[in-house]
Amino acid sequence: AQSVTQPDIHITVSEGASLELRCNYSYGATPYLFWYVQSPGQGLQLLLKYFSGDTLVQGIKGFEAEFKRSQSSFNLRKPSVHWSDAAEYFCAVGAGSGGYQKVTFGTGTKLQVIP
Amino acid sequence: DTGVSQNPRHKITKRGQNVTFRCDPISEHNRLYWYRQTLGQGPEFLTYFQNEAQLEKSRLLSDRFSAERPKGSFSTLEIQRTEQGDSAMYLCASSPLASWELFFGEGSRLTVL
Repeated sequence: AQSVTQPDIHITVSEGASLELRCNYSYGATPYLFWYVQSPGQGLQLLLKYFSGDTLVQGIKGFEAEFKRSQSSFNLRKPSVHWSDAAEYFCAVGAGSGGYQKVTFGTGTKLQVIP
Repeated sequence: DTGVSQNPRHKITKRGQNVTFRCDPISEHNRLYWYRQTLGQGPEFLTYFQNEAQLEKSRLLSDRFSAERPKGSFSTLEIQRTEQGDSAMYLCASSPLASWELFFGEGSRLTVL
């Protein structure tokens, strides 16, 4: 069964600073990987996804993530954080075949942005 | 608004009562998921429908939980004989076939007193 580990429960960064959120996954085959963001009072929104090909993927809101198979990681990055990026971020792994699919989420990292 | 809609948004109930949540997915989305999220945790998979067929139910889900999607459109999640440990946010998501992107509703928060 697939699983996701997000080792950082809470991260604080200054506005304008760079950001990296860590994600490690466990899955026997090539995974489908995702990052979702959850702002207070709102539903989860997909930031970006990796299926295959280029290991550096671009997403919405200026985010990017890099897939490293050797490290079983899929870390999320942003060069310059904005106050509106304060939210909770979830890494997820998808598994399935033949039309069946299941997405498993990590425990999340809460991002605080200070002026 | 054509997003995923969940009702009610917040339900407070006494222990032992039954509650039902409804999810209206994005129209023509074949896949529908239910997740549960507690404070400090990520969404935990509960069950998954493809059209009206329930293809998987989490082993963590007790027999007090049941979900239906009778016509392959909206879905209901019923919790019988609620316990305080059922207090959580219940999230619904839908997805079209051939897509892995989940579109989430804003959730239904359950508080069991």
